[in-house]
Amino acid sequence: SAVISQKPSRDICQRGTSLTIQCQVDSQVTMMFWYRQQPGQSLTLIATANQGSEATYESGFVIDKFPISRPNLTFSTLTVSNMSPEDSSIYLCSVEPFGNTEAFFGQGTRLTVV
Amino acid sequence: KQEVTQIPAALSVPEGENLVLNCSFTDSAIYNLQWFRQDPGKGLTSLLLIQSSQREQTSGRLNASLDKSSGRSTLYIAASQPGDSATYLCAVTGSSASKIIFGSGTRLSIRP
Repeated sequence: SAVISQKPSRDICQRGTSLTIQCQVDSQVTMMFWYRQQPGQSLTLIATANQGSEATYESGFVIDKFPISRPNLTFSTLTVSNMSPEDSSIYLCSVEPFGNTEAFFGQGTRLTVV
Repeated sequence: KQEVTQIPAALSVPEGENLVLNCSFTDSAIYNLQWFRQDPGKGLTSLLLIQSSQREQTSGRLNASLDKSSGRSTLYIAASQPGDSATYLCAVTGSSASKIIFGSGTRLSIRP
């Protein structure tokens, strides 16, 4: 298994500002993913965070809005840029450890944009 | 394109009852299927993982089954307790073992 620490757990932000969410894993993992869960909805994949290269974004998500870093095999950040109220969601980090396709999730970051 | 559906969207039962949550998927070429629990405003907790070659997995009062040919999975919860109240999500990993597709969840409420 993997233990994931995601920070912050929640934040209230002003529109037009940016927030960076951190995801720290207690062991090296192959895959790291970022998801968004809008109110009352299921999870939507934003991007796959690739170590040493640019993230791979899903349709409807762009790097300018959601820049992602992954400097090593245990850490990644997601930035929500130029926020608007429509960005109010729970953002979740997920990992798949080496040799294991079971997905593990952080506790999420509850973002409210006012 | 894989689609995952969960029925019912919400379920309320009295404490002690056994219950079944349903999940269906449109593309049977899957790598695995996972059931998660999500408490309000929180992240996901993995409950059970079923590999494509498996038929079921059990953990405590939980039993998950998988029928790939019919594109169905069920999560059986025995002797339900109020602490089981949460949203239960079914998620399918495609055969290329890459993207995970989530269902919309079943919101379960166990009445004391």
